[in-house]
Amino acid sequence: AQSVTQPDIHITVSEGASLELRCNYSYGATPYLFWYVQSPGQGLQLLLKYFSGDTLVQGIKGFEAEFKRSQSSFNLRKPSVHWSDAAEYFCAVGATSGTYKYIFGTGTRLKVLA
Amino acid sequence: EPEVTQTPSHQVTQMGQEVILRCVPISNHLYFYWYRQILGQKVEFLVSFYNNEISEKSEIFDDQFSVERPDGSNFTLKIRSTKLEDSAMYFCASSEIQRRQTQYFGPGTRLLVL
Repeated sequence: AQSVTQPDIHITVSEGASLELRCNYSYGATPYLFWYVQSPGQGLQLLLKYFSGDTLVQGIKGFEAEFKRSQSSFNLRKPSVHWSDAAEYFCAVGATSGTYKYIFGTGTRLKVLA
Repeated sequence: EPEVTQTPSHQVTQMGQEVILRCVPISNHLYFYWYRQILGQKVEFLVSFYNNEISEKSEIFDDQFSVERPDGSNFTLKIRSTKLEDSAMYFCASSEIQRRQTQYFGPGTRLLVL
């Protein structure tokens, strides 16, 4: 069955520190991969996506993610976190056939210390 | 840039009442989706819709739910007899027929059932 695992429910980092949010997926083939950010009470904002090609993808707000097929991972990184990055981050897998529905992970809540 | 819009942004209803959540997908998109996010939980796929029919639905999407495209621009989710556990944020999404892997999400409707 298709699934997405975000092993870290909460992460706290200091402002200016680097960040890595983990995402592992289970899917029969290479899926489409996404990271979304959600501020409290708000909608989903797409940070970046991976379909194929270069395994390191750049997104908005200085985020990047690396697809590692051997590890079934798509971890999100940022070299220097800003206080405004505090939010919930969701990794999602998109089906590559049929209805192309998305399957989301349970999310990682990021807290940034001043 | 075209956006998916949803109305209302918030809705409060009494248990047992019917609610209709409305979405206006991006104008040239032909695939439509509803997702649900119960407070503090992950985003879950409810249903996909194409060519005036449901193409896939999850086990959550039972007989109390229905979707409709009543005209050329709106896409609605009806919950016939709301239950307390229907309280959630409901997201609409749409995608182009040629690029179904990329879904564009609306800002969500927060439904509270009392």
